[in-house]
Amino acid sequence: QVQLVESGGGLVKPGGSLRLSCAASGFTFDDYYMTWIRQAPGKGLEWISYISGLNSHRDYADSVKGRFTISRDNAKNLVHLEMNSLRVDDTAVYFCARRVGATTDDRFDIWGQGTGVTVSS
Amino acid sequence: DIQMTQSPSSLSASVGDRVTITCRASQSITQYLNWYQQKEGKAPKVVIYGASSLQTGVPSRFTGSGSGTEFTLTISSLQLEDFATYYCQQSYSMPYTFGQGTRLDIK
Repeated sequence: QVQLVESGGGLVKPGGSLRLSCAASGFTFDDYYMTWIRQAPGKGLEWISYISGLNSHRDYADSVKGRFTISRDNAKNLVHLEMNSLRVDDTAVYFCARRVGATTDDRFDIWGQGTGVTVSS
Repeated sequence: DIQMTQSPSSLSASVGDRVTITCRASQSITQYLNWYQQKEGKAPKVVIYGASSLQTGVPSRFTGSGSGTEFTLTISSLQLEDFATYYCQQSYSMPYTFGQGTRLDIK
């Protein structure tokens, strides 16, 4: 079935790095934009990055620009989020999500279960 | 960035009640508006997209309406499984932004 499974979360010190991965299955991976969305403890949802199906387009929220890098490996159906210079306020559950639609039907229709990142000394 | 504001922030209701949640955008987003349901400890799930289209598999008691800057999500007859937090999200322009959420709990 259509599924996304994140991994790679954990505890890291401020200034440290972490690499999250999201494994996709059940659909033609390179047909879709993929995104990362995070949720700080007790807070709402924040879109942080997307990457196009063929790696040609990517963008970031200002809060992570210059520190986080999104990439994908279409041969392995994986999307990654490389996180550097981590700060305490990056602490969150990070969700991988599939973006579908082209106009007003643009939405995140499949989500992973999330992986937790805690930045603390 | 487009700011999304939901009201109320929380809402208590009973099974069988009709409830409405409002979402306002800081500028016109035409109908580029989605609604998500999130249960505690779980990933969000899209329920309405394009302001009024029902996502496949979502019960018809969920309806969305609106355009421009004001949108509503209505649940016509609340069921136990509907108690959750609901978020609106605009897909009009990057960065995509979410409302702060509306927590719907049992009265």
